[in-house]
Amino acid sequence: ETGVTQSPTHLIKTRGQQVTLRCSSQSGHNTVSWYQQALGQGPQFIFQYYREEENGRGNFPPRFSGLQFPNYSSELNVNALELDDSALYLCASSLWGAETQYFGPGTRLLVL
Amino acid sequence: EDQVTQSPEALRLQEGESSSLNCSYTVSGLRGLFWYRQDPGKGPEFLFTLYSAGEEKEKERLKATLTKKESFLHITAPKPEDSATYLCAVQAGNTDKLIFGTGTRLQVFP
Repeated sequence: ETGVTQSPTHLIKTRGQQVTLRCSSQSGHNTVSWYQQALGQGPQFIFQYYREEENGRGNFPPRFSGLQFPNYSSELNVNALELDDSALYLCASSLWGAETQYFGPGTRLLVL
Repeated sequence: EDQVTQSPEALRLQEGESSSLNCSYTVSGLRGLFWYRQDPGKGPEFLFTLYSAGEEKEKERLKATLTKKESFLHITAPKPEDSATYLCAVQAGNTDKLIFGTGTRLQVFP
């Protein structure tokens, strides 16, 4: 069974730039959720994707957007990067209707 | 507003010294309570899901329990490799989002 994978592992961007983060869900899972984790904090829900559509969104501005593909993989796009966007971005996959979410290793984003 | 509070923020234990971590929650319509372990710079690793008050689950030296207002993660005879941050999260209502606490950072010394 293949677990959740994310790429890249680390990324450095400058303020105002755009970034795309990628996630492959665990085999058999059809739902992907994205979380942002600032240093010393718990993860904060960004949004969830199911059947290639956004299904629930947290308190994040529209410059955070996403996609889900037919193979259930997903992308998180962030436009007009701000310094406060520096964080660990986590992807979690699950089976629609099941509660438990399984996390990937994360992408560490640093905005300078 | 749904809220999760974990205590203590940090815990230092001697190897073999058992203790408990607390997670108190205020939510409407609890669907599940989750415990995760997170090593520095890594993603959270799933440990347990609890669904209803009175439920208990065990895995090696860890045991999770649930009441109507809080959950405990009991660590029996911990080892240095148990050192990590332990995160508690809840899922409530008709949404799948997980609401996390800020975690308890556990250090176990030999």
